[in-house]
Amino acid sequence: AQSVTQPDIHITVSEGASLELRCNYSYGATPYLFWYVQSPGQGLQLLLKYFSGDTLVQGIKGFEAEFKRSQSSFNLRKPSVHWSDAAEYFCAVGARTGANNLFFGTGTRLTVIP
Amino acid sequence: DGGITQSPKYLFRKEGQNVTLSCEQNLNHDAMYWYRQDPGQGLRLIYYSQIVNDFQKGDIAEGYSVSREKKESFPLTVTSAQKNPTAFYLCASNLGQSNQPQHFGDGTRLSIL
Repeated sequence: AQSVTQPDIHITVSEGASLELRCNYSYGATPYLFWYVQSPGQGLQLLLKYFSGDTLVQGIKGFEAEFKRSQSSFNLRKPSVHWSDAAEYFCAVGARTGANNLFFGTGTRLTVIP
Repeated sequence: DGGITQSPKYLFRKEGQNVTLSCEQNLNHDAMYWYRQDPGQGLRLIYYSQIVNDFQKGDIAEGYSVSREKKESFPLTVTSAQKNPTAFYLCASNLGQSNQPQHFGDGTRLSIL
């Protein structure tokens, strides 16, 4: 069965600093991988996705993520964080076969210090 | 603009009462999903539907029911059998394949009076 681990519950960074949010997954093959962002009281917005090919994917709002098969990881990065990036971030995996469901991590809450 | 509309944004339930959360989409998506979100637990799947008149239980379906009579609509009923219904409920939809991102509504927050 698929599972997703986001080991950092809460991260605090200064505005302008770089950011990396960790995501590890468990799956028998390469899954479909997604990063979503959620502002308080809102739904989730897709930041980026990985299906195949180039392991470095670019998303919206200046975010990127790198798929590393050997580490079963899909970490999210941003070179310079803006105050508006403060939100909760969720990593999700989807199976390439079988049920069309997503499995979500427990999320990482990002606080940005001015 | 196409999207997913959830209503109401806030809902209160009395003990022993059933309540229904609305989810409507105009994205022409085949599949729709209901998730429950609790602090520190991420999103957990309640029910999903791949086509009209068909739906499947997710990981935490007990105490909930759904219907899918129209492609655009996927209402969720929280029954009195759900003993801990206080949570944030999110509806999502996609084209019905696992490589298609899910689009989310803005959620309904349910509280107990």
